[in-house]
Amino acid sequence: GAGVSQTPSNKVTEKGKYVELRCDPISGHTALYWYRQSLGQGPEFLIYFQGTGAADDSGLPNDRFFAVRPEGSVSTLKIQRTERGDSAVYLCASSPMGLADTQYFGPGTRLTVL
Amino acid sequence: AQTVTQSQPEMSVQEAETVTLSCTYDTSESNYYLFWYKQPPSRQMILVIRQEAYKQQNATENRFSVNFQKAAKSFSLKISDSQLGDTAMYFCAFMKHVTGANSKLTFGKGITLSVRP
Repeated sequence: GAGVSQTPSNKVTEKGKYVELRCDPISGHTALYWYRQSLGQGPEFLIYFQGTGAADDSGLPNDRFFAVRPEGSVSTLKIQRTERGDSAVYLCASSPMGLADTQYFGPGTRLTVL
Repeated sequence: AQTVTQSQPEMSVQEAETVTLSCTYDTSESNYYLFWYKQPPSRQMILVIRQEAYKQQNATENRFSVNFQKAAKSFSLKISDSQLGDTAMYFCAFMKHVTGANSKLTFGKGITLSVRP
C-alpha cells in the first residue's frame, strides 16, 4: 500500500511569511508525528497526534508553530512569521494504534526561509 | 528525559566487509525500545532494526544485527557483507514504552556511513 506522503517536497519562503506543510499518513494509522531535522542533526520531536487530538505537543518550539489533524487522517503543520532558523527538513511519521514501536516516515519537506 | 549519543560522525568501510556503528543512551526508564534507522540522500527514514529492552536476545535482520548491553546502555549496529546501497546516514533512536499508547522517538545526531567499492 501507499506510504506516508508529504507535500510540498520543497518550500522556499521569505522571512516573515506563513507556511503550511501537509502530511498524508498511511491509511488506518491513528498516530501521527511531526519531527524537525536541522542540517547535520538527528530529527527532533515536535508534536504527536492520537486521532484528532494532540497527545503531546511538548516539542513545539514556540507559539509560531501549530499543527492540526481535524479528521484524524491528514495533518497540517503551520508556521507563522517564519524565521531563518526555521529552515530544516520537516518529517512526518505515522503508526498504527497499539504498535507503539513502529513509526513509518515520509520523505519530508525541506523548508528554506530566505 | 532521554538522551542518545552517537559519537562517531562518520565511518567508511570496504564493500563486503563488516562495520560496527556505536550508540549509547541514557534513561531512567525500565521498559523501552531501541532502533536503528537509515536515511539515504532521498531523506526517507527507513527502519533497519529494533530491540525491545526486556528481551535479552540481540535482534537480527539479515545482514544487520545489534549488540544490546542494557547495563552499559549501549546499542551498537553491526552490518555484515557491506553493500554500496548501505551508504547512508544511520540514526540510533530511543522510545519509551507506554502501555496501550504510542510514544515519540528520541534520535542521536547520526553517523554517515560510506561503503567503498
